[in-house]
Amino acid sequence: QKEVEQNSGPLSVPEGAIASLNCTYSDRVSQSFFWYRQYSGKSPELIMSIYSNGDKEDGRFTAQLNKASQYVSLLIRDSQPSDSATYLCAVNMARDDKIIFGKGTRLHILP
Amino acid sequence: ETGVTQSPTHLIKTRGQQVTLRCSSQSGHNTVSWYQQALGQGPQFIFQYYREEENGRGNFPPRFSGLQFPNYSSELNVNALELDDSALYLCASSLLVETDTQYFGPGTRLTVL
Repeated sequence: QKEVEQNSGPLSVPEGAIASLNCTYSDRVSQSFFWYRQYSGKSPELIMSIYSNGDKEDGRFTAQLNKASQYVSLLIRDSQPSDSATYLCAVNMARDDKIIFGKGTRLHILP
Repeated sequence: ETGVTQSPTHLIKTRGQQVTLRCSSQSGHNTVSWYQQALGQGPQFIFQYYREEENGRGNFPPRFSGLQFPNYSSELNVNALELDDSALYLCASSLLVETDTQYFGPGTRLTVL
């Protein structure tokens, strides 16, 4: 199993709908989880961090963490064309305290 | 803007040459991590520097080396460049003791011919 796994997409979502992005990780004792957005040709931009089980909301973004299932997700409500980007999931691996990234999911919001 | 800067923006080198990439961390941040991002892939961890000492390394050969200076700025050096070293090189800074949240610079696009 890869350390951090994401579906590469592309994921196509109509404008105004909810986009759901998923990520699984291998290190059962990891404690820190991050979502980054990366536009083509640009560097990753932090959207949200989450450390506790449950939901964390910030504007149109909600991160969901389930440590028992080793699963973290990002929901984007009222999707906008400007949300079209690659979304990277990152996990701080407890074994060596280093942050490992998934390959990213390409999201395309259809106008 | 994260306050993290990198130079140069773009660089073209030939196989076998050496390259130095530079990063200035966000004010107050004492930790710098370097990542390599190939096209279509997620960032791959190269190494991290904390208070001028290497604080962990990913699966990269010794020809990838680094430095951190007293002002917490950092350099990534790559010797004997190979074609596969062509990638976006990202620097991320954080305040390690308090949080592991990292903020990325704009990156350096390296092309090896």
